[in-house]
Amino acid sequence: QSALTQPASVSGSPGQSITISCTGTSSDVGGYNYVSWYQQHPGKAPKLMIYDVSNRPSGVSNRFSGSKSGNTASLTISGLQAEDEADYYCSSYTSSSTLYVVFGGGTKLTVL
Amino acid sequence: QVQLVESGGGLVKPGGSLRLSCAASGFTFSDYYMSWIRQAPGKGLEWVSYISSSGSTIYYADSVKGRFTISRDNAKNSLYLQMNSLRAEDTAVYYCARVVPAAHFDYWGQGTLVTVSS
Repeated sequence: QSALTQPASVSGSPGQSITISCTGTSSDVGGYNYVSWYQQHPGKAPKLMIYDVSNRPSGVSNRFSGSKSGNTASLTISGLQAEDEADYYCSSYTSSSTLYVVFGGGTKLTVL
Repeated sequence: QVQLVESGGGLVKPGGSLRLSCAASGFTFSDYYMSWIRQAPGKGLEWVSYISSSGSTIYYADSVKGRFTISRDNAKNSLYLQMNSLRAEDTAVYYCARVVPAAHFDYWGQGTLVTVSS
Protein backbone atom coordinates (compact mmCIF):
# COMPACT_ATOMS: atom_id res chain seq x y z
CA GLN A 1 0.00 0.00 0.00
CA SER A 2 1.51 3.31 -1.16
CA ALA A 3 1.59 6.32 1.12
CA LEU A 4 0.01 8.60 -1.50
CA THR A 5 -3.15 7.55 -3.33
CA GLN A 6 -3.44 7.87 -7.09
CA PRO A 7 -6.03 6.43 -9.48
CA ALA A 8 -4.72 3.30 -11.16
CA SER A 9 -5.57 4.55 -14.62
CA VAL A 10 -6.90 7.49 -16.58
CA SER A 11 -7.51 7.93 -20.27
CA GLY A 12 -8.22 10.63 -22.76
CA SER A 13 -8.31 11.34 -26.47
CA PRO A 14 -5.71 13.39 -28.32
CA GLY A 15 -6.26 17.08 -27.75
CA GLN A 16 -8.26 16.59 -24.57
CA SER A 17 -7.18 17.43 -21.02
CA ILE A 18 -6.88 14.98 -18.16
CA THR A 19 -6.18 15.37 -14.46
CA ILE A 20 -4.47 12.89 -12.15
CA SER A 21 -5.03 13.25 -8.43
CA CYS A 22 -2.64 12.43 -5.60
CA THR A 23 -4.04 12.28 -2.08
CA GLY A 24 -1.94 12.26 1.05
CA THR A 25 -2.18 13.64 4.55
CA SER A 26 -1.24 16.73 6.50
CA SER A 27 2.15 15.10 7.14
CA ASP A 28 3.07 15.15 3.50
CA VAL A 29 1.03 16.66 0.63
CA GLY A 30 -1.07 18.90 2.84
CA GLY A 31 1.75 20.10 5.03
CA TYR A 32 4.34 21.15 2.48
CA ASN A 33 4.54 22.59 -1.01
CA TYR A 34 7.03 19.88 -1.95
CA VAL A 35 4.98 17.76 -4.33
CA SER A 36 6.63 16.45 -7.47
CA TRP A 37 5.37 14.53 -10.49
CA TYR A 38 7.33 12.05 -12.61
CA GLN A 39 6.62 10.54 -16.01
CA GLN A 40 7.87 7.04 -16.78
CA HIS A 41 7.70 5.35 -20.13
CA PRO A 42 8.02 1.52 -20.22
CA GLY A 43 11.56 0.39 -19.56
CA LYS A 44 12.80 3.91 -18.95
CA ALA A 45 13.84 5.91 -15.92
CA PRO A 46 11.37 8.37 -14.40
CA LYS A 47 11.53 11.96 -15.62
CA LEU A 48 10.76 14.97 -13.44
CA MET A 49 7.78 16.89 -14.85
CA ILE A 50 6.64 19.11 -11.97
CA TYR A 51 8.31 20.12 -8.70
CA ASP A 52 7.23 22.19 -5.71
CA VAL A 53 3.57 21.62 -6.64
CA SER A 54 3.45 23.68 -9.80
CA ASN A 55 6.92 24.42 -11.17
CA ARG A 56 8.11 22.97 -14.47
CA PRO A 57 11.76 22.12 -15.05
CA SER A 58 13.37 23.61 -18.11
CA GLY A 59 12.39 21.67 -21.22
CA VAL A 60 9.09 20.31 -19.92
CA SER A 61 6.10 21.28 -22.05
CA ASN A 62 3.73 23.91 -20.65
CA ARG A 63 0.94 21.44 -21.38
CA PHE A 64 1.85 19.96 -18.00
CA SER A 65 0.69 21.82 -14.90
CA GLY A 66 0.36 21.09 -11.22
CA SER A 67 -1.76 22.33 -8.35
CA LYS A 68 -2.70 21.48 -4.79
CA SER A 69 -5.71 21.86 -2.54
CA GLY A 70 -5.53 20.63 1.01
CA ASN A 71 -4.17 17.10 1.10
CA THR A 72 -4.67 16.50 -2.63
CA ALA A 73 -2.30 17.46 -5.42
CA SER A 74 -3.17 17.27 -9.09
CA LEU A 75 -1.36 16.97 -12.39
CA THR A 76 -3.16 18.27 -15.46
CA ILE A 77 -2.07 17.50 -18.99
CA SER A 78 -3.73 19.59 -21.65
CA GLY A 79 -3.74 19.00 -25.40
CA LEU A 80 -3.05 15.29 -24.93
CA GLN A 81 -0.57 13.76 -27.33
CA ALA A 82 0.26 10.15 -28.07
CA GLU A 83 3.69 10.51 -26.47
CA ASP A 84 2.07 11.45 -23.15
CA GLU A 85 0.99 7.83 -22.72
CA ALA A 86 3.04 6.67 -19.73
CA ASP A 87 2.93 6.02 -16.02
CA TYR A 88 2.81 9.05 -13.76
CA TYR A 89 3.94 9.13 -10.14
CA CYS A 90 3.48 11.83 -7.55
CA SER A 91 5.80 12.25 -4.60
CA SER A 92 5.97 14.44 -1.54
CA TYR A 93 8.36 15.32 1.22
CA THR A 94 7.10 13.80 4.45
CA SER A 95 7.61 14.68 8.08
CA SER A 96 7.48 11.00 8.96
CA SER A 97 10.41 10.00 11.15
CA THR A 98 10.98 6.92 9.03
CA LEU A 99 10.79 8.32 5.52
CA TYR A 100 12.12 11.26 3.56
CA VAL A 101 9.92 11.07 0.48
CA VAL A 102 6.75 9.15 -0.19
CA PHE A 103 5.52 8.15 -3.64
CA GLY A 104 2.09 7.46 -5.00
CA GLY A 105 1.26 4.09 -6.48
CA GLY A 106 1.33 5.45 -10.01
CA THR A 107 -1.29 6.16 -12.67
CA LYS A 108 -1.29 4.64 -16.13
CA LEU A 109 -2.31 7.24 -18.69
CA THR A 110 -3.76 5.84 -21.90
CA VAL A 111 -4.18 8.11 -24.91
CA LEU A 112 -7.09 6.65 -26.85
CA GLN B 1 25.20 17.02 -19.62
CA VAL B 2 24.28 15.31 -16.37
CA GLN B 3 24.78 11.57 -16.44
CA LEU B 4 24.20 8.95 -13.79
CA VAL B 5 25.23 5.39 -14.58
CA GLU B 6 24.43 2.55 -12.17
CA SER B 7 26.21 -0.78 -12.09
CA GLY B 8 26.59 -3.80 -9.86
CA GLY B 9 23.15 -5.39 -10.13
CA GLY B 10 22.63 -9.08 -10.70
CA LEU B 11 21.27 -12.34 -9.33
CA VAL B 12 21.94 -13.09 -5.68
CA LYS B 13 20.62 -15.71 -3.26
CA PRO B 14 18.51 -14.75 -0.24
CA GLY B 15 20.78 -13.67 2.57
CA GLY B 16 23.48 -12.62 0.15
CA SER B 17 25.12 -9.25 -0.48
CA LEU B 18 25.58 -6.91 -3.39
CA ARG B 19 27.19 -3.51 -3.85
CA LEU B 20 25.69 -1.05 -6.30
CA SER B 21 27.63 1.86 -7.75
CA CYS B 22 26.51 5.03 -9.48
CA ALA B 23 29.01 7.03 -11.52
CA ALA B 24 28.11 10.69 -11.87
CA SER B 25 29.31 13.17 -14.48
CA GLY B 26 28.34 16.50 -15.98
CA PHE B 27 27.88 18.33 -12.67
CA THR B 28 29.74 19.07 -9.44
CA PHE B 29 28.91 15.85 -7.61
CA SER B 30 30.11 17.09 -4.24
CA ASP B 31 27.51 19.89 -4.28
CA TYR B 32 24.49 17.60 -4.38
CA TYR B 33 22.58 15.27 -2.10
CA MET B 34 21.93 11.89 -3.72
CA SER B 35 19.38 9.13 -3.31
CA TRP B 36 18.65 5.53 -4.19
CA ILE B 37 15.11 4.71 -5.31
CA ARG B 38 13.88 1.28 -6.32
CA GLN B 39 11.05 -0.18 -8.36
CA ALA B 40 9.96 -3.80 -7.98
CA PRO B 41 8.87 -5.49 -11.23
CA GLY B 42 5.52 -4.09 -12.32
CA LYS B 43 5.26 -1.96 -9.18
CA GLY B 44 5.65 1.67 -8.18
CA LEU B 45 8.58 3.69 -6.96
CA GLU B 46 9.96 3.32 -3.44
CA TRP B 47 12.49 5.69 -1.89
CA VAL B 48 15.33 3.71 -0.30
CA SER B 49 18.03 6.03 1.01
CA TYR B 50 19.46 9.54 0.94
CA ILE B 51 22.91 10.98 1.62
CA SER B 52 23.94 14.60 2.02
CA SER B 53 26.60 16.21 -0.13
CA SER B 54 29.31 15.65 2.47
CA GLY B 55 28.02 12.27 3.55
CA SER B 56 27.36 13.46 7.08
CA THR B 57 23.57 13.03 6.92
CA ILE B 58 22.02 9.75 5.90
CA TYR B 59 18.45 8.42 5.95
CA TYR B 60 17.00 5.01 5.16
CA ALA B 61 13.53 3.67 4.59
CA ASP B 62 12.44 1.32 7.34
CA SER B 63 12.30 -1.54 4.85
CA VAL B 64 16.10 -1.48 4.41
CA LYS B 65 17.35 0.04 7.66
CA GLY B 66 20.06 -2.06 9.25
CA ARG B 67 20.69 -4.03 6.05
CA PHE B 68 21.64 -1.39 3.46
CA THR B 69 24.41 1.21 3.70
CA ILE B 70 24.64 4.26 1.44
CA SER B 71 27.96 5.99 0.93
CA ARG B 72 29.72 8.29 -1.51
CA ASP B 73 33.22 9.14 -2.70
CA ASN B 74 33.25 12.73 -3.88
CA ALA B 75 36.78 12.37 -5.22
CA LYS B 76 35.55 9.62 -7.53
CA ASN B 77 32.15 11.21 -8.26
CA SER B 78 30.51 8.00 -7.14
CA LEU B 79 27.58 6.89 -5.03
CA TYR B 80 27.27 3.42 -3.53
CA LEU B 81 24.69 1.16 -1.95
CA GLN B 82 25.92 -1.83 0.03
CA MET B 83 23.07 -4.30 0.36
CA ASN B 84 23.35 -7.12 2.89
CA SER B 85 20.93 -9.81 4.10
CA LEU B 86 19.03 -9.53 0.85
CA ARG B 87 15.46 -10.77 0.67
CA ALA B 88 13.18 -11.71 -2.20
CA GLU B 89 11.25 -8.49 -1.65
CA ASP B 90 14.40 -6.48 -2.41
CA THR B 91 14.13 -7.61 -6.04
CA ALA B 92 13.83 -4.40 -8.03
CA VAL B 93 15.44 -2.00 -10.44
CA TYR B 94 17.57 0.35 -8.36
CA TYR B 95 17.94 3.92 -9.57
CA CYS B 96 20.34 6.54 -8.31
CA ALA B 97 18.99 10.06 -8.50
CA ARG B 98 20.22 13.57 -7.87
CA VAL B 99 18.32 15.35 -5.10
CA VAL B 100 17.43 19.01 -5.35
CA PRO B 101 15.57 21.11 -2.80
CA ALA B 102 13.12 20.31 -1.71
CA ALA B 103 12.87 16.60 -1.90
CA HIS B 104 12.66 16.10 -5.62
CA PHE B 105 14.85 14.17 -8.02
CA ASP B 106 15.85 15.99 -11.17
CA TYR B 107 18.14 13.43 -12.81
CA TRP B 108 17.93 9.64 -12.69
CA GLY B 109 20.21 6.89 -13.90
CA GLN B 110 18.98 4.14 -16.19
CA GLY B 111 18.73 1.71 -13.28
CA THR B 112 20.33 -1.62 -12.42
CA LEU B 113 18.31 -4.78 -11.78
CA VAL B 114 18.79 -6.70 -8.57
CA THR B 115 17.17 -10.13 -8.41
CA VAL B 116 17.10 -12.03 -5.13
CA SER B 117 16.21 -15.64 -5.73
CA SER B 118 17.43 -19.11 -4.84
